[in-house]
Amino acid sequence: EAGVTQFPSHSVIEKGQTVTLRCDPISGHDNLYWYRRVMGKEIKFLLHFVKESKQDESGMPNNRFLAERTGGTYSTLKVQPAELEDSGVYFCASSQGLTYNEQFFGPGTRLTVL
Amino acid sequence: KNQVEQSPQSLIILEGKNCTLQCNYTVSPFSNLRWYKQDTGRGPVSLTIMTFSENTKSNGRYTATLDADTKQSSLHITASQLSDSASYICVVSFSGGYNKLIFGAGTRLAVHP
Repeated sequence: EAGVTQFPSHSVIEKGQTVTLRCDPISGHDNLYWYRRVMGKEIKFLLHFVKESKQDESGMPNNRFLAERTGGTYSTLKVQPAELEDSGVYFCASSQGLTYNEQFFGPGTRLTVL
Repeated sequence: KNQVEQSPQSLIILEGKNCTLQCNYTVSPFSNLRWYKQDTGRGPVSLTIMTFSENTKSNGRYTATLDADTKQSSLHITASQLSDSASYICVVSFSGGYNKLIFGAGTRLAVHP
């Protein structure tokens, strides 16, 4: 069974540009999460999808970030326009159920904004 | 404020030795506590998940303990191997129905031959 995959693995862009990150969850997992680790800090929650619906987007830093999950399969996270402080590693995770179910993480996308 | 604090920040041990990593949390209401292992350049991988009623759980050479009264957890690694070199992250699930995770900053473990 394939795990959670993320694309690209690395992205280097200039301030003001747009970047779109993609996450493919494990097949059949209704729950999809986005997280971010900024340099030197802990991983922080961004948002949670249940199928195609945003269940909790309380961690999204501002309106430059837009997440979508059309059709309830893969998800994209767009940053527009990117700022220097957006640099970090963006992780996606998926799970089958909720409370006690393990979240399986992807390898992450390392975003560098110059 | 919901927080998870880990100690030490980093640790170096010799291969074959044991070590214990600590985690204190202030997350409330608490649902469950997880320990993850994260290798460099990879995503976190779950080692153990414990609810408030469980006070110990093992996964091979990894044993996690939980004291829900004092809000402390530990991860004990027995007979360390070079492949144990990684970051170990304590994560507490915030009870609210949606399994929201609060992460610690991690302990970076280096196992030397």
